[in-house]
Amino acid sequence: EIVLTQSPGTLSLSPGERATLSCRASQTVGKNYVAWYQQKPGRAPRLLIHTASIRATGIPDRFSGSGSGTDFTLTVSRLEPEDFAVYYCHQHAYAPLTFGGGTKVEMK
Amino acid sequence: EVKLVESGGGLVQPGGSLRLSCGAFGFTSSDYWMIWVRQAPGKGLEWVAIIKQDGSEKFYVDSVEGRFTISRDNAKNLLFLQMSGLRAEDTAVYYCARGAGWVSEYWGQGTLVTVSA
Repeated sequence: EIVLTQSPGTLSLSPGERATLSCRASQTVGKNYVAWYQQKPGRAPRLLIHTASIRATGIPDRFSGSGSGTDFTLTVSRLEPEDFAVYYCHQHAYAPLTFGGGTKVEMK
Repeated sequence: EVKLVESGGGLVQPGGSLRLSCGAFGFTSSDYWMIWVRQAPGKGLEWVAIIKQDGSEKFYVDSVEGRFTISRDNAKNLLFLQMSGLRAEDTAVYYCARGAGWVSEYWGQGTLVTVSA
């Protein structure tokens, strides 16, 4: 099983700032099959990015993903008020599929 | 519009059984892998199971293997999760999702399962 470790646990930022979230895998993720989700309280997760860097339909271009092998990053170039949420990385390469523990992006 | 609607959650005693259903609307579910993901109260996401378009392949997280069974009825656009031998640690909101490949692309609103005496 691939273990995904996200850091930091919490990121305190202001609107307009850049957010950089990290996800490290315990082994190489084949084909860079890493996705990123955003979740707000009481809501289902929303797919942002898959295959490390491909934005899902309707996702604004301030969200970008990068990385390969075992190290992946989600960047939000300029935080909007609606971007404050919890973000999860997810490997969709090997069963059992796994999620990271999440990074909470909170308003400073 | 793609819509997924889960049902069947509720309160069940430890050791009991429950069957969750997920109705798929706005697309032909037989064209997609379908997935269950759960989230314990206040915790992160945990992938549970996935089933191939024709039901011929199924995979589970280790913690539910042998206790949970994923299945589907493509004629009715329905996905199921049969859960037995339920434990307190199975308490969670259970989401069904439509796969884009194995990525959970569209999600339902979730159904809460509470395992407690």
